Amino acid sequence: GEKVEQHESTLSVREGDSAVINCTYTDTASSYFPWYKQEAGKSLHFVIDIRSNVDRKQSQRLIVLLDKKAKRFSLHITATQPEDSAIYFCAASSNNNAGAKLTFGGGTRLTVRP
Amino acid sequence: EAGVTQSPRYAVLQEGQAVSFWCDPISGHDTLYWYQQPRDQGPQLLVYFRDEAVIDNSQLPSDRFSAVRPKGTNSTLKIQSAKQGDTATYLCASRSLGSAETLYFGSGTRLTVL
Repeated sequence: GEKVEQHESTLSVREGDSAVINCTYTDTASSYFPWYKQEAGKSLHFVIDIRSNVDRKQSQRLIVLLDKKAKRFSLHITATQPEDSAIYFCAASSNNNAGAKLTFGGGTRLTVRP
Repeated sequence: EAGVTQSPRYAVLQEGQAVSFWCDPISGHDTLYWYQQPRDQGPQLLVYFRDEAVIDNSQLPSDRFSAVRPKGTNSTLKIQSAKQGDTATYLCASRSLGSAETLYFGSGTRLTVL
């Protein structure tokens, strides 16, 4: 089955700098790659996603890049703010008629220092 | 719109005891997922349903875990004889198959097995 690996378990950046979190996946059939954020004491919520028909997607300060050949995708957070501090999870799925089955990475704890 | 509701919030058991977790998904969401999230790890899929049907339970330890969704709405996950290795947060998530692939997560049940 699919395996998703997050390469940075922790990441610390200074406020205003950019943060980059990298993930790799194993299943060439995977076509949907979302990112979820988990703030302290809270559950996961969706932040951004990318599908395999594009290699870049941006939503305000968030940019996702996808390299299908390398089976790698990354989340870039520009102009970081203290409220970006959280654990970020990447995920992958190969959609099927019964719905998406997401496989998550282990998480990256991002700390934005003032 | 109410979110995904889970209960209880916390459970503390001795090994060998049984426990049930309950999930009320967002109204109209036909797909429901149960994930296990050990401390400092990413969520790991246990089972998911479309309506009342089990789509994938390959990661559910079938000798001790069971999950049902009898009317295609609420769901119950039960651990028959808990082990210390079951200590984790159990997350329920739901989505609507016909719309975006975003999962909506509940707050989780934090289980500690002593």
